[in-house]
Amino acid sequence: SQQGEEDPQALSIQEGENATMNCSYKTSINNLQWYRQNSGRGLVHLILIRSNEREKHSGRLRVTLDTSKKSSSLLITASRAADTASYFCATPNSGGSNYKLTFGKGTLLTVNP
Amino acid sequence: DGGITQSPKYLFRKEGQNVTLSCEQNLNHDAMYWYRQDPGQGLRLIYYSQIVNDFQKGDIAEGYSVSREKKESFPLTVTSAQKNPTAFYLCASTPTSTDTQYFGPGTRLTVL
Repeated sequence: SQQGEEDPQALSIQEGENATMNCSYKTSINNLQWYRQNSGRGLVHLILIRSNEREKHSGRLRVTLDTSKKSSSLLITASRAADTASYFCATPNSGGSNYKLTFGKGTLLTVNP
Repeated sequence: DGGITQSPKYLFRKEGQNVTLSCEQNLNHDAMYWYRQDPGQGLRLIYYSQIVNDFQKGDIAEGYSVSREKKESFPLTVTSAQKNPTAFYLCASTPTSTDTQYFGPGTRLTVL
C-alpha cells in the first residue's frame, strides 16, 4: 500500500495565488521529501524536512510536517505559470532502509496565466 | 556536465521482444534505482542497487532484469515476460546515507 498519499489529486489556480498540497503517510518516518515533475520529464527534488522539524522554507516553498497527524503540506506562494507540474511526496521505506523511497500518486497543479 | 542520462528518450517494441533501457550517471553515487510510472500514477520501484554487482527486487520486479557491473551504469531489460510494459521508466541515483534521489529524464516505452 502507498506510504504517502497526496491531496488533492488535481488543483487549478490563477497566477499569483497560493497553492497548498497535502501528504498523509502511515508509519513513522525520519524525514519526508517533496519532488516536482514537469510533464514527460524526470522528478526534481524540492525540499526535505526531518522529523524533528515543524516547518522549512526554500524560496517560495514552505513545507510543514506534523508527525502526530502523520501529514505534511507543501505551500507554493505567488504561483507562476511555470509552477505547473505534478508534485509528489516521498517517504523512506517503512522497513527502515534509508535507500528506498515510497512515492505518492501526486498532485497535478495547473497555474493559469 | 554532471547528471543522470537515460537513453533512448522514446522506445518502441514489438510484443515478444526484449528491450534494454540505458541509465548512466557520473555523480559517483553508490545507489541506483529503476521506477515505472503509469499515466496519472506515482512511481513504483522495479529494482535497486546499493553497490556494484549487487541488486534487489523492488515492488514490481516480475518481467524485468538488471545488472550493475559498473558503478556508473544500471541498465534495465524489459523482457517478453512483462505483460504490460508500456509505461514511462525513470532511473535515479543517490549518494550513500542520504535519501534524496536524483532522476534522469526518463524513457517512454511503447509496445506495438
